[in-house]
Amino acid sequence: GAGVSQSPSNKVTEKGKDVELRCDPISGHTALYWYRQSLGQGLEFLIYFQGNSAPDKSGLPSDRFSAERTGGSVSTLTIQRTQQEDSAVYLCASSLEFSGGDWDGYTFGSGTRLTVV
Amino acid sequence: AQSVTQPDIHITVSEGASLELRCNYSYGATPYLFWYVQSPGQGLQLLLKYFSGDTLVQGIKGFEAEFKRSQSSFNLRKPSVHWSDAAEYFCAVGPSFSGGYNKLIFGAGTRLAVHP
Repeated sequence: GAGVSQSPSNKVTEKGKDVELRCDPISGHTALYWYRQSLGQGLEFLIYFQGNSAPDKSGLPSDRFSAERTGGSVSTLTIQRTQQEDSAVYLCASSLEFSGGDWDGYTFGSGTRLTVV
Repeated sequence: AQSVTQPDIHITVSEGASLELRCNYSYGATPYLFWYVQSPGQGLQLLLKYFSGDTLVQGIKGFEAEFKRSQSSFNLRKPSVHWSDAAEYFCAVGPSFSGGYNKLIFGAGTRLAVHP
């Protein structure tokens, strides 16, 4: 697509419920990233997918968080048993694989604002 | 270790004044450097990037940045700020090759307020 698409744009959920956040990257981008941005804070790396390689899960804050990427395209971030501290904006980004030369870095989606009540 | 520092958390300028946002990095080679802007309720948008060549790079919305290797800096500038420039600005450096993965390292951001 023309840009990185995230859905839903807003999600309000009750504490203890599971939520799924979706990211549709730019067509042809092999790398996909999830970040979390808490209110007034910077970017917290969560997970990174690159092609068919094993994902870099080093940023996932707990085992309640998981993500998958199907067919090398769409990704879903799942948060189980949500807690109030999970309230944040979840940003997805995609990029071409870095191989030196002119590289455009990341293209970000508009994010999903998650509120846990 | 590779890192990015944005020393200013908040900056306030008057509309029409000039602007400089600071970014310092630690990186073992010539890095790829980026500036992104995030308007309220939006994702991050690329303003400009540097990876080689002319050390003064021009971006969108009238912004420019200068790569200074000797100072490990990549400061963002704009000669005359508009009220619509109020946003959060993130500097990023990379790629950070860690564990077989290439990622960008982001600074903590600088929040810009513009007074009329």
